[in-house]
Parts: sequence; structure tokens; C-alpha cells
Amino acid sequence: AQSVAQPEDQVNVAEGNPLTVKCTYSVSGNPYLFWYVQYPNRGLQFLLKYITGDNLVKGSYGFEAEFNKSQTSFHLKKPSALVSDSALYFCAVGSYGNLIFGKGTKLSVKP
Amino acid sequence: DGGITQSPKYLFRKEGQNVTLSCEQNLNHDAMYWYRQDPGQGLRLIYYSQIVNDFQKGDIAEGYSVSREKKESFPLTVTSAQKNPTAFYLCASSVSGASGNTIYFGEGSWLTVV
Repeated sequence: AQSVAQPEDQVNVAEGNPLTVKCTYSVSGNPYLFWYVQYPNRGLQFLLKYITGDNLVKGSYGFEAEFNKSQTSFHLKKPSALVSDSALYFCAVGSYGNLIFGKGTKLSVKP
Repeated sequence: DGGITQSPKYLFRKEGQNVTLSCEQNLNHDAMYWYRQDPGQGLRLIYYSQIVNDFQKGDIAEGYSVSREKKESFPLTVTSAQKNPTAFYLCASSVSGASGNTIYFGEGSWLTVV
């Protein structure tokens, strides 16, 4: 069965510092991996996805993610965090035409 | 503006009532989805439709029903059989049902049982 895990319920970083939100996956075959962000009381916004090709994927708002097949990971990164990045982040894997989501990681960026 | 419109944003349901959440998209997408979001549980798939007049159950379809009579519309009915309907409901769509396609989301609807 396809699944994703987000091992951290919350990540705290200071503004200007680099941030990492972790995601590991379990799939049979080639993975289709996604990151979404959700602000309070809003829908999910697509950030980036990995289908094939370069292991480093660049997305919206300065975010990027690194696909690591040997570690079955797809961690989300940003070189310099902003207070406005504070939100709930979801990792997901594409499976038979829909998405299977992790439980989400709350990112808190303090000034 | 192109996008996915969900209505209403907030809905209150009495015990024993059926309620319908609306979802309309003008992106010309073939596939549409309904997810339920509960705190700490991520999103779970209720129903999805890859083409007009066809839909499939997701992981938690019991107590819900859908229809797909038009490409643009995918309404979700929460029936009285749904034991715990209070949640945030998200409608989504994608170009097609292929696994690598990006799925885009509406702004969500809150349903509360009173």
C-alpha cells in the first residue's frame, strides 16, 4: 500500500534561518510526490511535485524539495524562512489517480 | 477567474438532516474529488470522479453520496447516516485522473452538526 509519513507534528524556526519539513514515503513502483501548504481556514495550495528527473525540485514561494530514493524521503526546504511561511504543510503521494496525504506538519516561524 | 468554488463556506446541520455541499470548477478538468479533513488526521478521500456520469468510492464513503451530471459540478451530500459529519470538506480537481497530475483545491466548507 502507498503511504507517506511526516514524522514531526510541529517545526519551529527563527525568521531568516533555513527550514526543513520532513517526509518519507512507501510506494510500489515510481513515486509521484507532492507538497501542499494550508493557511488557517483555507484550502490547500500546491507548492511542488516530483515525477521524474532532477532530484531537486523547485517550487512556489522559494520552496524546494529533495527526492532521495535510497532513503525514500522527499523533504521540503527553504534557505531563509519568513514569518509568513507559518502554516500547515502536507506531503502526499499520487496513487491511482488521487492523493494519499501525510498527517501534516505545522511550521511556526518566529521573528 | 479560473478556479474551484465551494459553497457554502459554513453550514450547520441538525441531527437527522441531509445537507449538500456545492463544488463548481471552470478549469475544464475531467477529474474531481471530495476530501474530508479532521484535525491531526490529514485529508481522507470520500469520493472521486474521473469523468462525467461516473464516480468511485474513496476510503470513507459511508454516509456520503455524490453525483457528476456535468463536467463542472460535483456536489457532495452528507446524509443522516454519517455518524460524525462535523469536519472541513475540500473539493478538488485535476486535468485527468492520472497519478502524476496536480490536484488543485477549493477553499473548503465547514460543516457543523448542531
